[in-house]
Amino acid sequence: GQQVMQIPQYQHVQEGEDFTTYCNSSTTLSNIQWYKQRPGGHPVFLIQLVKSGEVKKQKRLTFQFGEAKKNSSLHITATQTTDVGTYFCAGNQYGNKLVFGAGTILRVKS
Amino acid sequence: DSGVTQTPKHLITATGQRVTLRCSPRSGDLSVYWYQQSLDQGLQFLIQYYNGEERAKGNILERFSAQQFPDLHSELNLSSLELGDSALYFCASSVEDSSNEKLFFGSGTQLSVL
Repeated sequence: GQQVMQIPQYQHVQEGEDFTTYCNSSTTLSNIQWYKQRPGGHPVFLIQLVKSGEVKKQKRLTFQFGEAKKNSSLHITATQTTDVGTYFCAGNQYGNKLVFGAGTILRVKS
Repeated sequence: DSGVTQTPKHLITATGQRVTLRCSPRSGDLSVYWYQQSLDQGLQFLIQYYNGEERAKGNILERFSAQQFPDLHSELNLSSLELGDSALYFCASSVEDSSNEKLFFGSGTQLSVL
């Protein structure tokens, strides 16, 4: 079945450092979504990427969708303590349901 | 506030028991999804309903069942509970049943089986 792998599982950075999480699918995706879950909270939708090679930015966050539509990344520039949480990618093969990656836990040391 | 309401927030019960988790989707949303999140685990998709009908099944155990009522609220029933069923159960909703729909998650029900 469809699988979405996400790395790293955990990252601890110094405030001000950059952070990147990667998402890889075993199959071509129709779209990919990113969610953020704060500690003790629930997942919150961040963004959706649909087009091959698409790049979207939200302030310090940059999202990319690979040319083959099998991988994606989320890059945070100059992390802040408010960025802590778990970042999930979620992708779906055409016609199928969203499959979530295992998530990357981000901790920021001030 | 996502607009998705889940009750109860916390549930503590014993092995072998049966519990019901409730979810009210955002106003206007027709799809309801149930996810299980265990410690150090991602979000495991359990089941989806759309406008009262089951649309997709994920890794849902036979001891678990769900339904969506005419008013679109949904219930997840967990029976013959085991220690390993302890987890955070999320409900999410979306407007339609499309692969491009973004999901709005509730705050979850933390289930502890002792």
